[in-house]
Formats: sequence, C-alpha cells, structure tokens
Amino acid sequence: GAVVSQHPSRVICKSGTSVKIECRSLDFQATTMFWYRQFPKKSLMLMATSNEGSKATYEQGVEKDKFLINHASLTLSTLTVTSAHPEDSSFYICSARVPHYEQYFGPGTRLTVT
Amino acid sequence: AQSVTQLGSHVSVSEGALVLLRCNYSSSVPPYLFWYVQYPNQGLQLLLKYTTGATLVKGINGFEAEFKKSETSFHLTKPSAHMSDAAEYFCAVSDQGDDKIIFGKGTRLHILP
Repeated sequence: GAVVSQHPSRVICKSGTSVKIECRSLDFQATTMFWYRQFPKKSLMLMATSNEGSKATYEQGVEKDKFLINHASLTLSTLTVTSAHPEDSSFYICSARVPHYEQYFGPGTRLTVT
Repeated sequence: AQSVTQLGSHVSVSEGALVLLRCNYSSSVPPYLFWYVQYPNQGLQLLLKYTTGATLVKGINGFEAEFKKSETSFHLTKPSAHMSDAAEYFCAVSDQGDDKIIFGKGTRLHILP
C-alpha cells in the first residue's frame, strides 16, 4: 500500500524558534496533501490543504503566517511552525491523497516547545 | 456541513467479546464514510471505507461496518475482540467529490483480559 513518511518523528525546540516538518509520499505522487493537528486525547483538526504548485488552503482559525505550508513537488509537503510557542506543542499528522479518494496518513510528528 | 458523532469516548470489552463502536454522521449529500485506527504515538491506519455499492463493508483485522442511510449510522463491529485491538478509533466522513475528511472525536477501545 501507499506509504507516507514524516520527518522528524519527534522534535523539541525553544520558544521563539521555527521548526520544519516534512511529509513525503514514498511510492506515489500526491497532488494533494493535508496537515492535521491533534491535541492530547482529542480528534484530528484539519489545519490546511496543500496542493502541489499552488498556495495552501487554510481552515478557519488557522494562522497561515504562523503555519507555513509548502508543496514544492508531488512527493513533498512541508509545514513550518514559525516563532513557536509552548501552545503550539502538539502532534502534527500529514496525509496524502491518492486516486479513488483514499487518504494515507503519515506516522505523525510530536512537537514540544519549551 | 458534515459532522460525525461517536458515542462513547471509552469502550471496554472483554477479550473474545463483540466489539461495537458507534458512529452517526450528518451530511447534506451522499457521504463517503471511513473508520481509522490509531495506535499510541502513531498516525492513522484505514480500517475500512464506504463509498458506494454494498452497504456492509469489510475491512482489515476482522472489522466490518454497515452503512445505514435511514439511521445515518456507520457502526464498526468485530465479532471477537483481541488484545491487539486496543487503540483509538476514529469515524470520519467526507462529501463525495470533496477532499476534506471530517473526523469524529474518537473512541478509545480497551480490551479486558
């Protein structure tokens, strides 16, 4: 089946710094990737839809200047959390869409901002 | 707008017993419906999905779900629980032709020995 990877799996950064998370589709090309945020013991909240070669579409309430998304190729999307603060600590999960309306999810990235 | 309601944030069943996780959805158009499983500190794995056709859908690990339009439900079942089934389960919905998937709040399944 289709495989989606994320890097890093876990990252700790200091408040005020920026951190980049990569999402890759390993064995297929994904024109659309999605970024989710999951709070502890909570459901997944869709942050944005990332389309290759165009600007990401952000969900209401998500700060696009804080969560920068780039989908530079059909196999790579990146999420950069800029000027991170402790409240940005969370589990970030990406997914990539394949034909026949299937989404495959990455293993997630645990971000801790100290 | 679509929405998903999962009844019970925690469900406990004994090993070997029937697993039933409830999911009701709201959608203004024919929906696509999904069940995902998440193990601790991992991403989501698709268990099964309903798009069109047969309303009883069989998935991986012995799970199945039935789409009941009249009840707007898509409950997940497994005849006999195994310890390895302990995980978080998410029901999700999307409109046909829409990329977005809306997730329920999840149900933590506990398996009692």
